[in-house]
Formats: sequence, structure tokens, C-alpha cells
Amino acid sequence: GNSVTQMEGPVTLSEEAFLTINCTYTATGYPSLFWYVQYPGEGLQLLLKATKADDKGSNKGFEATYRKETTSFHLEKGSVQVSDSAVYFCALSDRYSSASKIIFGSGTRLSIRP
Amino acid sequence: SQTIHQWPATLVQPVGSPLSLECTVEGTSNPNLYWYRQAAGRGLQLLFYSVGIGQISSEVPQNLSASRPQDRQFILSSKKLLLSDSGFYLCAWSTLDSGANVLTFGAGSRLTVL
Repeated sequence: GNSVTQMEGPVTLSEEAFLTINCTYTATGYPSLFWYVQYPGEGLQLLLKATKADDKGSNKGFEATYRKETTSFHLEKGSVQVSDSAVYFCALSDRYSSASKIIFGSGTRLSIRP
Repeated sequence: SQTIHQWPATLVQPVGSPLSLECTVEGTSNPNLYWYRQAAGRGLQLLFYSVGIGQISSEVPQNLSASRPQDRQFILSSKKLLLSDSGFYLCAWSTLDSGANVLTFGAGSRLTVL
């Protein structure tokens, strides 16, 4: 079955540092890939997505590129801010299917020091 | 615009007591609905999803159940809670966005079983 593996946290960085959170997946076919973010005390919200190989999703300075050859979708940001402190989840779903399961990774907690 | 409501936001229940968490969606019709659980220190686990009234798919065998009595209402229940049922429960609905199945989450219901 489909699965998502992301790097263990917590990750602690200083403000303005470069961020990478690794995510790899196992899936049949051609899934859509997502990053969701959960700020303290809140539900999850979509951060960015990519629907096909070599697509780059981007939002709020974050980027992730759909790499089919390495089955990866790593999240990156060039200069993190304290407000980026949150839990980040990588996820996948069957493409073009509205009636599908959406599978999440275990989440990576990110803390940014001022 | 579409909104999703979950209640109660916080619940403390004794072991063996029943549970009912409710989720309603506004501003859309025939949504796909999901229940996820986020246990402390663990990732997001898909519990149930529904593509229509009375149609429930269960992902994890356990003492929880779900029902969809109306198009935009999704209920998570238990007859007898276990300590292991403690966690953060998230309801979500999905829509196709540029070919990707995107989730919108409610604010969550935090359940503590004592």
C-alpha cells in the first residue's frame, strides 16, 4: 500500500537558517504530493502541493519538488523565521481521485530560535 | 465560502464512557469527509472516510465507529472509551484542486480519557 516516510524531529534551527525536511514515499501509480502545516493549537492547513513529476510546489517561501526518480518530496526554505515554528506533515493521495485515502507521514516538529 | 465545524473542542471522559464527536461542513454539497487521529508523539492516522450518506470506509479496526446521517454531517462515536483513545481528532473534507485531492481540516477535538 501507499506510505510516506519523513525525517524524525524535532528540528531546531536559528532564525534565518536554511531548512530541509526530508520526505520519501511509496505508491502505485502517480500520486499527488502535499505538505501540510500545523501551527500550535490549530488544525492542519495545506502549505503546498505538486501533482506530477518535476512539479515544484511553493508557498510562504517554502518549496518542494516532486522527484519521481528518488520518490521524494523534500521541503525547503532558504531563511526560516520564528513564525515558521510548527509541525510539518508530508502526505500523498491518488491523483485525480476525489474518493481516495490521503496518507500522512508522522510529522516533523520544527522550532526556530530567535 | 466553505467552512468546517467540529465540536466539542475539548473533552475529558472516563474509561468505559461513550463518545460522540460531531463535524459539519457548510458551503458545499456531497463532500468527501474524513476522520483522523493525532496521538501524542505520533503522526496523523486515518480512521474513517466517507464519499456519501451512509457510506463509511474504516481504515483501522478499533472500538470507534463513524456515521454520516446527512450529506454534510460526520459523527465519530464509541460505546466504551479506552485509555488509548486519547488524542486529537481532526475532521476534514476534500475537494479536487488542479487534479489534487486537497484536504481542509477543522480545528480539532482534543479527547482525554482518564
